[in-house]
Amino acid sequence: NAGVTQTPKFRVLKTGQSMTLLCAQDMNHEYMYWYRQDPGMGLRLIHYSVGEGTTAKGEVPDGYNVSRLKKQNFLLGLESAAPSQTSVYFCASSWYSSGYTFGSGTRLTVV
Amino acid sequence: GENVEQHPSTLSVQEGDSAVIKCTYSDSASNYFPWYKQELGKRPQLIIDIRSNVGEKKDQRIAVTLNKTAKHFSLHITETQPEDSAVYFCAATSPNTGNQFYFGTGTSLTVIP
Repeated sequence: NAGVTQTPKFRVLKTGQSMTLLCAQDMNHEYMYWYRQDPGMGLRLIHYSVGEGTTAKGEVPDGYNVSRLKKQNFLLGLESAAPSQTSVYFCASSWYSSGYTFGSGTRLTVV
Repeated sequence: GENVEQHPSTLSVQEGDSAVIKCTYSDSASNYFPWYKQELGKRPQLIIDIRSNVGEKKDQRIAVTLNKTAKHFSLHITETQPEDSAVYFCAATSPNTGNQFYFGTGTSLTVIP
């Protein structure tokens, strides 16, 4: 039982490059989320999903896209990376009205 | 949407003393309030939570209280230990929001041996 697994753990991108972050959960959770964490700003929601095939925008969605083709996977895409997207990205999953289980995070640096 | 404010942003206590972190929320419909602990370089982990039909919940040295009227909730850690040093985040969520959590900006707790 791995819980929530994020890949990769670290990545350095050049401005304008694209990449996809993968989140996989094995708890059969309906809800999945992508957050970014920046110093002094806590955790801010990028996008989330309430079930397979659904996605919705969170607080800071600009510059990101997501897909949830399978219930256990939630992908976060950056089409054209910018230095402002340098951050630590956390994926999480949950049941309705219950606490999140977070992945171990992806540290992304855009140069 | 919901707005969660958390205070203080930093807190230092002597080992064995108590620590209290306070959060306020704006949406009176919020009904679930979890607390997370994040150690340096690690993922946030749920340490305790409370629902709106309960005023207080305790788990060993940690407790959470909720005042729905005033729209605030607090984390209490008693008999603090060095391993309690971490960043603590409060959060709130309300129905019909896709279980979105609105997080506070965090409290960095340092327990001095």
